Amino acid sequence: EVQLVESGGGLVQPGGSLRLSCAASGFNFNSYAMSWVRQAPGKGLEWVSGISDRGGRTYSADSVKGRFTISRDNSKNTLYLQMSSLRVEDTAIYYCAKDGAGIAAPYYFDYWGQGTLVTVSS
Amino acid sequence: EIVLTQSPATLSLSPGERATLSCRASQSVSSYLAWYQQKPGQAPRLLIYDASNRATGIPARFSGSGSGTDFTLTISSLEPEDFAVYYCQQRSNWGALAFGGGTKVEI
Repeated sequence: EVQLVESGGGLVQPGGSLRLSCAASGFNFNSYAMSWVRQAPGKGLEWVSGISDRGGRTYSADSVKGRFTISRDNSKNTLYLQMSSLRVEDTAIYYCAKDGAGIAAPYYFDYWGQGTLVTVSS
Repeated sequence: EIVLTQSPATLSLSPGERATLSCRASQSVSSYLAWYQQKPGQAPRLLIYDASNRATGIPARFSGSGSGTDFTLTISSLEPEDFAVYYCQQRSNWGALAFGGGTKVEI
């Protein structure tokens, strides 16, 4: 059974930093691209960042470029999102999502975690 | 940047009725389009990928069509559990992904 379990969310002040983790199990982690998707309270879905299966290529939305860094440790079956220079508008539930296409770059998501809430507030 | 526009924002229907949801891309995305269903307090669930392929375990009443810039998700006969928010999502050639704004299907 595929499982994705996010952790690391919490309350942080504007300008602060936070690192999210996503522990994956139940599939061959190093064969799939992975992504982070967020959802602000009462709003729609926003793709944040994606990373290729081996970690050699990363992709990010313009809204987080230069502030967020996605990475993975295939030896630990774990996906990360390092967030810095956080803004109030980054407040959201952050979901870890497994790519379904089995290609190197992110495409669509067949499994999702339950999410971790990040609140940016003073 | 490719923008996805979903319409209508809200669709008010009754169980047993047919639902037709639209997703329009600002430029061609070929068939690189997926649809998701999200219920309150839950993570999204994949329904359709490659514009028309049902994901594993998705009932046959859900179908997707379209290519290029115009796509449709059809629910042939609404069940009570189908009332939710639906999102389309695309992949660009340069690796960026994007979601549409969503359509809420309500009773």
